[in-house]
Amino acid sequence: SQQGEEDPQALSIQEGENATMNCSYKTSINNLQWYRQNSGRGLVHLILIRSNEREKHSGRLRVTLDTSKKSSSLLITASRAADTASYFCATEGRGAGSYQLTFGKGTKLSVIP
Amino acid sequence: NAGVTQTPKFQVLKTGQSMTLQCAQDMNHNSMYWYRQDPGMGLRLIYYSASEGTTDKGEVPNGYNVSRLNKREFSLRLESAAPSQTSVYFCASSEGPETQYFGPGTRLLVL
Repeated sequence: SQQGEEDPQALSIQEGENATMNCSYKTSINNLQWYRQNSGRGLVHLILIRSNEREKHSGRLRVTLDTSKKSSSLLITASRAADTASYFCATEGRGAGSYQLTFGKGTKLSVIP
Repeated sequence: NAGVTQTPKFQVLKTGQSMTLQCAQDMNHNSMYWYRQDPGMGLRLIYYSASEGTTDKGEVPNGYNVSRLNKREFSLRLESAAPSQTSVYFCASSEGPETQYFGPGTRLLVL
């Protein structure tokens, strides 16, 4: 079963606007990661946030983690057409199954020039 | 550095045929993974190898076998392909339980 669930499933914005995607998960985690997938390509790692962190930044990306609500958000600021892709959250569980990532179904982001 | 490479890129099989998907990484990573991705879905783990010499089942192992040939190579075998195995298959590698690096994928169609 899939651990993470992204919301919304699809998002369409104008270039220059901010894009926010949310992820909810069910069980305790060691860390939560966000990946990007361009159409027809493999996944590319964007950012990792550990369970004891609340916020992390990387360039135009900002990730928050609320372990009490079992949720995370990914904010892409000043979006560009090149940001058009699907975005997946992935969780690494605690204990047995460590080293295994469980992926959500993804948010498909379209950035209109 | 090529990263993670997968062969073939695309394959068409008839039901009942067998095939092996190849994966190799040149980053000296200990862990390797096989996932499948179906339309509108995230990735689901088929098998993984935490280190050379070990393999373990993931979420959807039925119908598949794997071989960790050496530290670089991790193959996925379909012994008797079924239409339900039509999917895009991704191989990934990682040094530890954090960032995974993905190959470009193999698109498999089973008729």
